[in-house]
Amino acid sequence: GENVEQHPSTLSVQEGDSAVIKCTYSDSASNYFPWYKQELGKRPQLIIDIRSNVGEKKDQRIAVTLNKTAKHFSLHITETQPEDSAVYFCAAKKGPGYSSASKIIFGSGTRLSIRP
Amino acid sequence: GAVVSQHPSRVICKSGTSVKIECRSLDFQATTMFWYRQFPKKSLMLMATSNEGSKATYEQGVEKDKFLINHASLTLSTLTVTSAHPEDSSFYICSARDQGADNSPLHFGNGTRLTVT
Repeated sequence: GENVEQHPSTLSVQEGDSAVIKCTYSDSASNYFPWYKQELGKRPQLIIDIRSNVGEKKDQRIAVTLNKTAKHFSLHITETQPEDSAVYFCAAKKGPGYSSASKIIFGSGTRLSIRP
Repeated sequence: GAVVSQHPSRVICKSGTSVKIECRSLDFQATTMFWYRQFPKKSLMLMATSNEGSKATYEQGVEKDKFLINHASLTLSTLTVTSAHPEDSSFYICSARDQGADNSPLHFGNGTRLTVT
């Protein structure tokens, strides 16, 4: 089955600097890679996603890159702000849209802290 | 946007009792829902895939007789933790996708914090 590895487990950056979180996946058939942000005691919220037919996607201060050949994808947050402090999870999904095979497997998470 | 409602948000039960957790898609239909378990400061571990009208698909290592899943309608899936033990204490969270929307993301419920005493 799919295995998603995420690094680093914790990350502390100065406010205004950039943060990068990296993930690798094992199943070359995976075709959808979402990133979730989870604040303490709350549900994970989707912040950005990328599909296997795209190499990069950007949404304001957040960008995600995908290297299918190397089977890794990364989250980039620029101009970090205190509210960016949270746990971030990468994930991978394979299979067609809504079949029972299209489950999403999560990475181990990165606890991001923004230093004022 | 799509909303997933999960109840209860917190439950405390005694060892040996059973606890039922409900997951509802409020404004969309979901043929498939997913149940995850999250330990403190850990990742989301997929427990099972709930399939409307058929048996759930359990991940390796998850006891199907321990964690009973029922998906009786297109908007409701339930997870019952049977004969609960203290080691079952955890954060359980369900998720679903809007089957009527192309490439829709996974939406999560608020989670249920189960404490077994």
